[in-house]
Amino acid sequence: DAGVIQSPRHEVTEMGQEVTLRCKPISGHNSLFWYRQTMMRGLELLIYFNNNVPIDDSGMPEDRFSAKMPNASFSTLKIQRTQQEDSAVYLCASSLADEQFFGPGTRLTVL
Amino acid sequence: AQKITQTQPGMFVQEKEAVTLDCTYDTSDQSYGLFWYKQPSSGEMIFLIYQGSYDEQNATEGRYSLNFQKARKSANLVISASQLGDSAMYFCAMRDLNPGNTPLVFGKGTRLSVIA
Repeated sequence: DAGVIQSPRHEVTEMGQEVTLRCKPISGHNSLFWYRQTMMRGLELLIYFNNNVPIDDSGMPEDRFSAKMPNASFSTLKIQRTQQEDSAVYLCASSLADEQFFGPGTRLTVL
Repeated sequence: AQKITQTQPGMFVQEKEAVTLDCTYDTSDQSYGLFWYKQPSSGEMIFLIYQGSYDEQNATEGRYSLNFQKARKSANLVISASQLGDSAMYFCAMRDLNPGNTPLVFGKGTRLSVIA
């Protein structure tokens, strides 16, 4: 069975540009989570969805960040006007029951 | 609020030996789950083991076992017969089990190095 799929795996962009990260959850899972991982702050929740509905986006740093889940098999995380502090690994996870299963992550580098 | 504390930034273990990675937690929730994940240098988070707060027996998965001491609020991971491939970051995490699916709260991790 395919696991959580994320694309791109690596993204390098310049300050001020816009990037869109993509996530395909495991088929049948009804919850999707976006986390950000940095050396300084560790792993932090950005936003999560249950049954395609955003439940908690309090972890989204600024209005520059937005996430959508148009259907059960796809989610995007968009970062506008990127800043160097946005450099991180962005991890997507999906869940049906107790465990959450993670994708390989997208490493974003903002120059 | 939930909090996970991992006090060991780094650990070394000899190949074939057992190692214990410490994890303490704090929560006011009655029903919660405790998790351990492994993150090798490739970056992927690999689920290892899960313990529910109402589970009376300690969870085991192959060479991994979770030493759950509810009164002490600890959930230590024990890896038996360490292998070179066990070298990685290990994260302890928890979440409230009610209601439904909720986000994980992670500790800062422990870097395990297995020495030949």
